[in-house]
Amino acid sequence: DGGITQSPKYLFRKEGQNVTLSCEQNLNHDAMYWYRQDPGQGLRLIYYSQIVNDFQKGDIAEGYSVSREKKESFPLTVTSAQKNPTAFYLCASSIRTGAGEQYFGPGTRLTVT
Amino acid sequence: AQSVTQPDIHITVSEGASLELRCNYSYGATPYLFWYVQSPGQGLQLLLKYFSGDTLVQGIKGFEAEFKRSQSSFNLRKPSVHWSDAAEYFCAALPSGGSYIPTFGRGTSLIVHP
Repeated sequence: DGGITQSPKYLFRKEGQNVTLSCEQNLNHDAMYWYRQDPGQGLRLIYYSQIVNDFQKGDIAEGYSVSREKKESFPLTVTSAQKNPTAFYLCASSIRTGAGEQYFGPGTRLTVT
Repeated sequence: AQSVTQPDIHITVSEGASLELRCNYSYGATPYLFWYVQSPGQGLQLLLKYFSGDTLVQGIKGFEAEFKRSQSSFNLRKPSVHWSDAAEYFCAALPSGGSYIPTFGRGTSLIVHP
């Protein structure tokens, strides 16, 4: 079955540590996205990538970094510079930017204490 | 500025009642329009989409949406709600004709009473 996988489902870290969230897709999509979701705030775009080795900042990129070395993979690193990292993180993909619907992964809930 | 508005933060309905969730968009030209559903702790799932043509769009799980250009709206409807429809619903818009990123509304939380 084609789809998007995110791992792990739950992640716990101590303050001051960097943490990397995994996102993999086997849909052969060019575009991939990372969103942050907080209660009552909908989805906020962190980063997106239109193609391998290219990515763009979204609305709330500060304290986050990404890489896109393979078409299938778009990992997100939450750095210690992110002031409020505890949130639900969603990865998505689409055939390309500007075309069609997005397909979402199941999400990773990150808790930093 | 381009925006998507979902005026209702929460909607409460009784099981078996009809449902309408509102979505308004503000764009220069008609965008592509989408409705997604999110169960607690899960990712988003596409319910339906509108690109052009017939203004009444059928989706999965018995949902439909009607595009009204004059009102810049794309409201989601279901004739009879089931308890399993309790979830968060997101409307999204995507400008056509370029490498754009979708804009999401803030979501409407649907509560279903038995």
